[in-house]
Amino acid sequence: EVQLVESGGGLVQPGGSLRLSCAASGFTFNNHWLSWVRQAPGKGLEWVGNIKQDGSEKDYVDSVKGRFTISRDNARNSLYLQMDSLRADDTAVYYCARETYWGSYYYLDVWGKGTTVTVSS
Amino acid sequence: DIQMTQSPSSLSASVGDRVTITCRAGQSISNYLNWYQQKPGKAPKLLIYAASSFQSGVPSRFSGSGSGTDFTLTISNLQPEDFATYYCQQSYSARTFGQGTKVEIK
Repeated sequence: EVQLVESGGGLVQPGGSLRLSCAASGFTFNNHWLSWVRQAPGKGLEWVGNIKQDGSEKDYVDSVKGRFTISRDNARNSLYLQMDSLRADDTAVYYCARETYWGSYYYLDVWGKGTTVTVSS
Repeated sequence: DIQMTQSPSSLSASVGDRVTITCRAGQSISNYLNWYQQKPGKAPKLLIYAASSFQSGVPSRFSGSGSGTDFTLTISNLQPEDFATYYCQQSYSARTFGQGTKVEIK
């Protein structure tokens, strides 16, 4: 079964750090770009960033640039999101998602169930 | 960043209705446009990619169209399980989601 499972969420104080993990199974991990997407309570989806198959390219939404770092370990079939200098508006459910491409078209076709990050004092 | 704007933000409809949701991009994105469905407490689910291509397993009552800056998601013969929030997302440059359209029961 194709699966993504996030972990590492929790309560953290403003200015603190947290590292999220996403464990993949059931597919060839290093064939896919991977994304992180978040959803603040009662709000819509926000793309956070993504990483290329070999980790050589990464992109981020402006609001997290310089604070968040995406990485991957293809030997462990794992994706990571290092979050530093956390702010209250980073409070959200964080999803990892697999990107699949068809020709030049990319789409998020497999999603984890999400892990909750709460930034509060 | 490419802005994506959906309309309406919410709508009320009845089972059996035909529903149309619009998504507008801030610049031309060709047909690099995907649609997702999300139910409360669940992860999003891919419905349509490349503006009009069906994801495997998605019922044929869902259809997508458009190119450039204007796109639509149409649900014909709305079913009880279709009441959810729908998001468009561009993959032309980085990734951006629309703000969502909530489809509620009338």
